[in-house]
Amino acid sequence: KNQVEQSPQSLIILEGKNCTLQCNYTVSPFSNLRWYKQDTGRGPVSLTIMTFSENTKSNGRYTATLDADTKQSSLHITASQLSDSASYICVVSPGGSARQLTFGSGTQLTVLP
Amino acid sequence: DGGITQSPKYLFRKEGQNVTLSCEQNLNHDAMYWYRQDPGQGLRLIYYSQIVNDFQKGDIAEGYSVSREKKESFPLTVTSAQKNPTAFYLCASSFREDNSPLHFGNGTRLTVT
Repeated sequence: KNQVEQSPQSLIILEGKNCTLQCNYTVSPFSNLRWYKQDTGRGPVSLTIMTFSENTKSNGRYTATLDADTKQSSLHITASQLSDSASYICVVSPGGSARQLTFGSGTQLTVLP
Repeated sequence: DGGITQSPKYLFRKEGQNVTLSCEQNLNHDAMYWYRQDPGQGLRLIYYSQIVNDFQKGDIAEGYSVSREKKESFPLTVTSAQKNPTAFYLCASSFREDNSPLHFGNGTRLTVT
């Protein structure tokens, strides 16, 4: 069964600090891995999409890494801001169809002043 | 601005009543999706549509129905047959039903008592 596991479930950090969120998956075959940011009560917004051949991808202060051999990804947030408080969702696509996406349950990040 | 609009944001219904959630997009996307989000779980696919007048069941379609009479619109009906309808419902669209990025609406929170 395809699964996406995220850790930690929740994380609290101080404003200005860095943090790293983890995503392990057992999805096969593999097409791409996506990170989304979801503010409370809102829909998810895409941060990055990484294919098999990409190891690192950045979007401003967000940097995603992918190790397709170990089936692990991480999302690093640099110099956190209060607006980074949200749930971060890892999504893996096993093939060429969006209907097959497997979603992780998210890491809830809280940034305190 | 292009985007996806879901309405209403909050919806309250009595048990045994059908209710319809609206989803409209002006992104000219062919594919549209409905997901259900429950606390501590990843998003689960209810229905998806690749083109007008065509739609397929997702992983948890029982107790739900959809229609796709127009490219822009993909309403979801939660019927009285859905055993546990209280949830956060998210509509999404993509250019095609493939590896295209998903764009999400801001959701409808349905509470059934």
